[in-house]
Amino acid sequence: GIQVEQSPPDLILQEGANSTLRCNFSDSVNNLQWFHQNPWGQLINLFYIPSGTKQNGRLSATTVATERYSLLYISSSQTTDSGVYFCAVENNAGNMLTFGGGTRLMVKP
Amino acid sequence: EPEVTQTPSHQVTQMGQEVILRCVPISNHLYFYWYRQILGQKVEFLVSFYNNEISEKSEIFDDQFSVERPDGSNFTLKIRSTKLEDSAMYFCASSQTWDRQSYNEQFFGPGTRLTVL
Repeated sequence: GIQVEQSPPDLILQEGANSTLRCNFSDSVNNLQWFHQNPWGQLINLFYIPSGTKQNGRLSATTVATERYSLLYISSSQTTDSGVYFCAVENNAGNMLTFGGGTRLMVKP
Repeated sequence: EPEVTQTPSHQVTQMGQEVILRCVPISNHLYFYWYRQILGQKVEFLVSFYNNEISEKSEIFDDQFSVERPDGSNFTLKIRSTKLEDSAMYFCASSQTWDRQSYNEQFFGPGTRLTVL
């Protein structure tokens, strides 16, 4: 099946700093989503981005499908950004999402 | 804004007991999914469901698991005889479509935390 690798696995930032999270995948995809898992365990949809670039406030994402990677940018980080960020992809093999291992982000005040 | 809901939020059960986890997908969605996340690990796909039948399932989804859409709104996951290793967060998700050419974003519910003692 498709492989999804996220980096870095852990990231500690000072409030106000910027960061880039990366997601590499091993095959062409129909769907790519970024999620934020908050401290209560909920998966919050951030972006649906199988290709191109999108922005939502301080967050933006870019997927370069031909090179099989996606980037999530967090600018001016806040303590509420803490949690785990997951990338998940769906390829031609079926309609399930395959998740990466996540990036655990801690933003310190 | 429409959202996926799940009940209960927490379930504690004894090994060998049956549990039913419930989900109400977004009302105009046609595709339904169950995923699970063992504590500290990645989220794993269990099963997808469309038109009242399973469309895909993973190797995790063995004979002790079953899914059902008993009415027009609920979508359930049943575990017949729970094992210690079934302890996990179970997420329900739904999407409007599944089509290589269409918008098929999956939306997740808040999860049910299952603890098997």
